[in-house]
Amino acid sequence: ETGVTQTPRHLVMGMTNKKSLKCEQHLGHNAMYWYKQSAKKPLELMFVYNFKEQTENNSVPSRFSPECPNSSHLFLHLHTLQPEDSALYLCASSQDHSRASYNEQFFGPGTRLTVL
Amino acid sequence: GQNIDQPTEMTATEGAIVQINCTYQTSGFNGLFWYQQHAGEAPTFLSYNVLDGLEEKGRFSSFLSRSKGYSYLLLKELQMKDSASYLCAVSDSNYQLIWGAGTKLIIKP
Repeated sequence: ETGVTQTPRHLVMGMTNKKSLKCEQHLGHNAMYWYKQSAKKPLELMFVYNFKEQTENNSVPSRFSPECPNSSHLFLHLHTLQPEDSALYLCASSQDHSRASYNEQFFGPGTRLTVL
Repeated sequence: GQNIDQPTEMTATEGAIVQINCTYQTSGFNGLFWYQQHAGEAPTFLSYNVLDGLEEKGRFSSFLSRSKGYSYLLLKELQMKDSASYLCAVSDSNYQLIWGAGTKLIIKP
């Protein structure tokens, strides 16, 4: 138990569906992250929020839309996804993304997404 | 571009020692992390190095050479539960973590 929870753990959706992934952290952190993890590929950073402000958007397609209502919650809204978007989506949190040193990230268990 | 290289897979024997290497080329450097990820689970933090040298933490040690862009994770007295993927990540000039693809470690009895 890392203090970061994600729901749902598994999701199967069609290309025309709209769904949302939820992440919650109970660590009092100020930064939250969405990553995509595909088999045998490096973790891909998608979005970063620091003190509720989006600081990074790494050229992610608009069919992925993040939302961060407060420092403890992070959502990833999905619509009109493609089969190649099937992957493990990981949420993480850290104390402060802008710290000059040591910024350990704590990960949730992930949502296994399958797009049909 | 930014790049992190680590072996795709390694095999070792229970009770032995294994060294997992990581080389990196990044724009800036604010530290190097090692994470462990068991299949189907979240990555969990193992170590952080920002200065050259060896950091020891129980059975696990991590080494860094900034001039060589090189790190290794050393696992001693291997146990079956150490079978997992080991991820190397570098914090760049913007404090973003740049990740390697991970090394799958298989432990045999």
